[in-house]
Amino acid sequence: TQLLEQSPQFLSIQEGENLTVYCNSSSVFSSLQWYRQEPGEGPVLLVTVVTGGEVKKLKRLTFQFGDARKDSSLHITAAQTGDTGLYLCAGTDYGGSQGNLIFGKGTKLSVKP
Amino acid sequence: DTGVSQDPRHKITKRGQNVTFRCDPISEHNRLYWYRQTLGQGPEFLTYFQNEAQLEKSRLLSDRFSAERPKGSFSTLEIQRTEQGDSAMYLCASSLVHADTQYFGPGTRLTVL
Repeated sequence: TQLLEQSPQFLSIQEGENLTVYCNSSSVFSSLQWYRQEPGEGPVLLVTVVTGGEVKKLKRLTFQFGDARKDSSLHITAAQTGDTGLYLCAGTDYGGSQGNLIFGKGTKLSVKP
Repeated sequence: DTGVSQDPRHKITKRGQNVTFRCDPISEHNRLYWYRQTLGQGPEFLTYFQNEAQLEKSRLLSDRFSAERPKGSFSTLEIQRTEQGDSAMYLCASSLVHADTQYFGPGTRLTVL
């Protein structure tokens, strides 16, 4: 069974600080997605990473996919209160035909003013 | 492109009643997925369709759960004889065939009293 472990589970920081959250697995994934979810809403896609070692930047967010395609990280520079939310990583089953996503439990980020 | 929509957004029902949720995917997307998310967890895959064919349903939680996509466009998820443990957020997502990225709807929050 493929599992994704996210750490930390909870993170509370002050506005302006930097942070990194991690998504790890012992399994290889053909791709990983990062989503942000607010209470009572569905996950909103931030990025998809496909190539091992890939780095993608989205304004103050930097996403990295591990060389072996087993792990990923999300780095936020100069966090803002609007970054508050649940960050979920999700992997597509490597070589599977279903295409369903396997999710981690998420990192709940709180950015205080 | 209006994105994935789900209806209703909230449903409160009494134990033993049947409920049905609707999902309208992004119009050109062939694949449609259903997930369930409970508090403190990431979404959990339930079933998926490619056009009108339900290609995976072994992950549906019990035989009380069923899904349809009769014309390959919108889909419905039905839960019969609801139980309190069915209380959760039910999420729908859609994608193109062979695309890793899935786009989620806002979800239907089910509360079973």
